[in-house]
Amino acid sequence: KAGVTQTPRYLIKTRGQQVTLSCSPISGHRSVSWYQQTPGQGLQFLFEYFSETQRNKGNFPGRFSGRQFSNSRSEMNVSTLELGDSALYLCASSLEGGTEYGYTFGSGTRLTVV
Amino acid sequence: SQKIEQNSEALNIQEGKTATLTCNYTNYSPAYLQWYRQDPGRGPVFLLLIRENEKEKRKERLKVTFDTTLKQSLFHITASQPADSATYLCALGNTGRRALTFGSGTRLQVQP
Repeated sequence: KAGVTQTPRYLIKTRGQQVTLSCSPISGHRSVSWYQQTPGQGLQFLFEYFSETQRNKGNFPGRFSGRQFSNSRSEMNVSTLELGDSALYLCASSLEGGTEYGYTFGSGTRLTVV
Repeated sequence: SQKIEQNSEALNIQEGKTATLTCNYTNYSPAYLQWYRQDPGRGPVFLLLIRENEKEKRKERLKVTFDTTLKQSLFHITASQPADSATYLCALGNTGRRALTFGSGTRLQVQP
């Protein structure tokens, strides 16, 4: 059974640009969550999608957005990049999206903003 | 505001000993507490989940306790091995919110 696939693994962008990250969840999982991980703030919840609908959103500015497609694949977009957006972006998939069960995380996309 | 504290200092132990990691929380009433392992450059890997009405959960060499009165969870690795060296994260969740709140993690180093 394939795991959660995130692409690309590494990305370098310039301030002011925008970026799109992709996540393919485990087959059959309909929920995809996104987290940002930085040394200072740790893992922070961005948003969660289930059956193409955003069900929950963390405390991030509107520059951070996402979507989910009918095949459960998800993308997140960050516009007008800032240096502070440099982080490891992690995607996590689960069957129903509740926290009652463990999540399966991808290996992440390492974004560096210069 | 919600706060989760894990030992910020790295934990160094000898192979074969039991490692005990602590997770304390405030201003939170979680329905579930989860433990993850994270290796450098990789995403977290789910290890164990314990519910608020459970006191203890075991899986192979791993044991988790959950004390909702003390607002604390302890994570034990018995007969530790160098391969257990990693950062361990605790995460709290509530039914319906569909988002985990993570601690900052404790780095465990098992010396051969």
